[in-house]
Amino acid sequence: GAVVSQHPSWVICKSGTSVKIECRSLDFQATTMFWYRQFPKQSLMLMATSNEGSKATYEQGVEKDKFLINHASLTLSTLTVTSAHPEDSSFYICSATGLAGSQTQYFGPGTRLLVL
Amino acid sequence: GQNIDQPTEMTATEGAIVQINCTYQTSGFNGLFWYQQHAGEAPTFLSYNVLDGLEEKGRFSSFLSRSKGYSYLLLKELQMKDSASYLCAVKGGANNLFFGTGTRLTVIP
Repeated sequence: GAVVSQHPSWVICKSGTSVKIECRSLDFQATTMFWYRQFPKQSLMLMATSNEGSKATYEQGVEKDKFLINHASLTLSTLTVTSAHPEDSSFYICSATGLAGSQTQYFGPGTRLLVL
Repeated sequence: GQNIDQPTEMTATEGAIVQINCTYQTSGFNGLFWYQQHAGEAPTFLSYNVLDGLEEKGRFSSFLSRSKGYSYLLLKELQMKDSASYLCAVKGGANNLFFGTGTRLTVIP
């Protein structure tokens, strides 16, 4: 149990385009999903916390109009990087909690974004 | 603010034991997690401590002292596949996870 998937795993796009990344909990209902960003040789930095049916809570320094998060159902959250620029190139990872009685966050496999 | 410290790199020999330390200062505490992350992959869950003491799970054990703001991950009978980054993460008062920079462990023959 506790499998989280992400799609796509790799995306290359031109500067100025928007990219949508999906995060799904496959075998449990995720009451909360988290979006992280990880630059090379650095640790994970939390971008935002998303609860189903409500607006996401963004960490300081993360632009909510640039990184749009939608948590429309208990098994799906999406992150849209709008008007992507080369500095947005990074490894984006989602995680989910909600497994009954568990505090653990289960991570998706990550999405590597390269903006040219 | 949140401050989580771990050594940046460690090297150990196959078959040996290695201890990776983590100290933390956070506003609120709802548990401490250890994750393993291989290069280019997402973290995988190793252990969770919320009470003081030692949690053992096979070759891996994790210890927590809340009064000292300290935890360690102990890896026994090291294998080459254990070469990875080990991330210490603290769940704060708002249930968010805050990660340390990770410890890159290299296991040598």
